[in-house]
Amino acid sequence: SQQGEEDPQALSIQEGENATMNCSYKTSINNLQWYRQNSGRGLVHLILIRSNEREKHSGRLRVTLDTSKKSSSLLITASRAADTASYFCATAGFNDMRFGAGTRLTVKP
Amino acid sequence: NAGVTQTPKFQVLKTGQSMTLQCAQDMNHNSMYWYRQDPGMGLRLIYYSASEGTTDKGEVPNGYNVSRLNKREFSLRLESAAPSQTSVYFCASSGRVSQPQPQHFGDGTRLSIL
Repeated sequence: SQQGEEDPQALSIQEGENATMNCSYKTSINNLQWYRQNSGRGLVHLILIRSNEREKHSGRLRVTLDTSKKSSSLLITASRAADTASYFCATAGFNDMRFGAGTRLTVKP
Repeated sequence: NAGVTQTPKFQVLKTGQSMTLQCAQDMNHNSMYWYRQDPGMGLRLIYYSASEGTTDKGEVPNGYNVSRLNKREFSLRLESAAPSQTSVYFCASSGRVSQPQPQHFGDGTRLSIL
């Protein structure tokens, strides 16, 4: 069964706007990771946040983690058409990782 | 700099046929994984290998077998293909499975079972 559940399932925005995707999970985690998947390609790792971290930045990406609410969010600022992809959260336990069903992001030029 | 290479990229099988999906990584990673991706389901782990010589079942292992041939290569075998195994299969690798680290994915094998 999936561990993380992303919300929304699909998101459509204009270029230059910010995109926020959320992930909720059910059990305790070691870390939480976000991945991007372009159509017809494999997943590409974006960012990892450990269970004792609350916020992390990487370029235009900002990830937050609230372990008390078992939730995480991914913010992409100043989006570009090239950001169009599916985004997945993955919750990592001691020796496994579970992926959510993903958010499909469309950025219109 | 190939990363994770999967072959073949596409395959069509008839029910009952067998085949082996190949995966190789050139990053000297210890751990390797096989996932399947179905529409609306995200990725589900079939089998993983924490290190050379070991393999373990994941969430959906039924109907599959794996072989960790050496540190670089991890193959997935369907002994008797069924239509329910129509999916996109991804191989991934990472430094180690404990304290999970980022995984590096191949571009997938698109498998159709008729």
